[in-house]
Amino acid sequence: DAKTTQPPSMDCAEGRAANLPCNHSTISGNEYVYWYRQIHSQGPQYIIHGLKNNETNEMASLIITEDRKSSTLILPHATLRDTAVYYCIVRAQAGTALIFGKGTTLSVSS
Amino acid sequence: NAGVTQTPKFRVLKTGQSMTLLCAQDMNHEYMYWYRQDPGMGLRLIHYSVGEGTTAKGEVPDGYNVSRLKKQNFLLGLESAAPSQTSVYFCASSRNVNEQFFGPGTRLTVL
Repeated sequence: DAKTTQPPSMDCAEGRAANLPCNHSTISGNEYVYWYRQIHSQGPQYIIHGLKNNETNEMASLIITEDRKSSTLILPHATLRDTAVYYCIVRAQAGTALIFGKGTTLSVSS
Repeated sequence: NAGVTQTPKFRVLKTGQSMTLLCAQDMNHEYMYWYRQDPGMGLRLIHYSVGEGTTAKGEVPDGYNVSRLKKQNFLLGLESAAPSQTSVYFCASSRNVNEQFFGPGTRLTVL
């Protein structure tokens, strides 16, 4: 599975959009981009995943560049409860394990 | 639905003791996983199962054994605990290879 690079930390004001970048320059054609988050001391929570098209659900939007070498997770209106570590993971759908890196710690403040 | 539950929530062991962590899911998921998370680190996969009666090694399997005798349960065993196994253990399950559902974690300290 391809490796991902994320900034270690980001800050966001409550009510503003949080844009979390992820670089996955070695991604191959059959690999998906997954995003999970982990709120302090809890188990990780699935957010969204995509292959090459942009995706949106009730939690977030995922924007994948045309060359698929990077992506951005967008939380449109961040709240204090969105403060968490966000993990970007690249994996072939046929695989079974998620490889977690250190992620990005997002701090949302009022 | 309770989702994914883990037993116990906390445990303190002495070096050399053994114990079993229990993971249960009520979503009829085929896939189940055990991860460990050390302070300041991401999760690392210990063992996983793609169905009842099957198990496979993950990234850090040494010192652990697992069993999946029933579809809804996935057990993680430590035969002879070591201080290096002090960690938070998370269990997860999934219906397919996309969304994994995680339990609340078991905090294990080995003295």
